[in-house]
Amino acid sequence: EPEVTQTPSHQVTQMGQEVILRCVPISNHLYFYWYRQILGQKVEFLVSFYNNEISEKSEIFDDQFSVERPDGSNFTLKIRSTKLEDSAMYFCASKGRQGAGSPLHFGNGTRLTVT
Amino acid sequence: AQSVTQLGSHVSVSEGALVLLRCNYSSSVPPYLFWYVQYPNQGLQLLLKYTSAATLVKGINGFEAEFKKSETSFHLTKPSAHMSDAAEYFCAVSPPMNRDDKIIFGKGTRLHILP
Repeated sequence: EPEVTQTPSHQVTQMGQEVILRCVPISNHLYFYWYRQILGQKVEFLVSFYNNEISEKSEIFDDQFSVERPDGSNFTLKIRSTKLEDSAMYFCASKGRQGAGSPLHFGNGTRLTVT
Repeated sequence: AQSVTQLGSHVSVSEGALVLLRCNYSSSVPPYLFWYVQYPNQGLQLLLKYTSAATLVKGINGFEAEFKKSETSFHLTKPSAHMSDAAEYFCAVSPPMNRDDKIIFGKGTRLHILP
C-alpha cells in the first residue's frame, strides 16, 4: 500500500537555525498538509496546500514557516529561524480527492528538537 | 467552530476486557468523524471513519464506533482488548462544508492494556 514518507525521522538543530522537513506524499494525491504535535499535547493543524498554493494556515503558521512543492513529488516545510518552542513531532499528510469525508494519510513524522 | 472532546487522557483496561474510548463532537451540522491510532514512535493510522453512510462503522483491528446524533458522540469500542492495542487514539472531525478538508484532532486518549 502506498504511503507518505518523511525524512529525516529525527532532526536536532540549534535555536535560530533554519530547518527543512521533507515529505514525499502518495504519488497521485493532490492535497497536502502539515501538522505538529508538541510532546504530550494534541495534534495541531499547521497548513494545507493545493494546486501549488496554501489553502489555509493556522495561527501557528507565522512568517517563520513556509511550504513548498519544488519538484512535483516532494513537499517541504521550512522553519526559517527555529525557536525552542518549535520542538515537536511534525507530521505530513496527503489525500487524493476533495471532500471532507476523504481521510488524510499520514507519514511517520519528523521529531524536531531545538536546543 | 468544529471540535471534538475526548474524555479521559488515559484509559486502562485488562487484556480481554471491553475497550471504550469516548469522543463527543461539536458541530452545527453532522460532520465527518474519524478515529486515528498512533503506535509508539509511529505516525497516525486511520482506524475508521464516519461519512453518514451508516451509523455503526467497523474499522481495522476489530474496532468499531457508533455515531449518535442525539448524544453528539462517536465512541470507539472493541469487545476484547489485546496487548497490541496499547497506543494513543485520536478522535477527529472534518466539517462537511470544509473548504480545505483539514481535520481537527482531539487531545487523544492513551490506552493501556493490563495483563
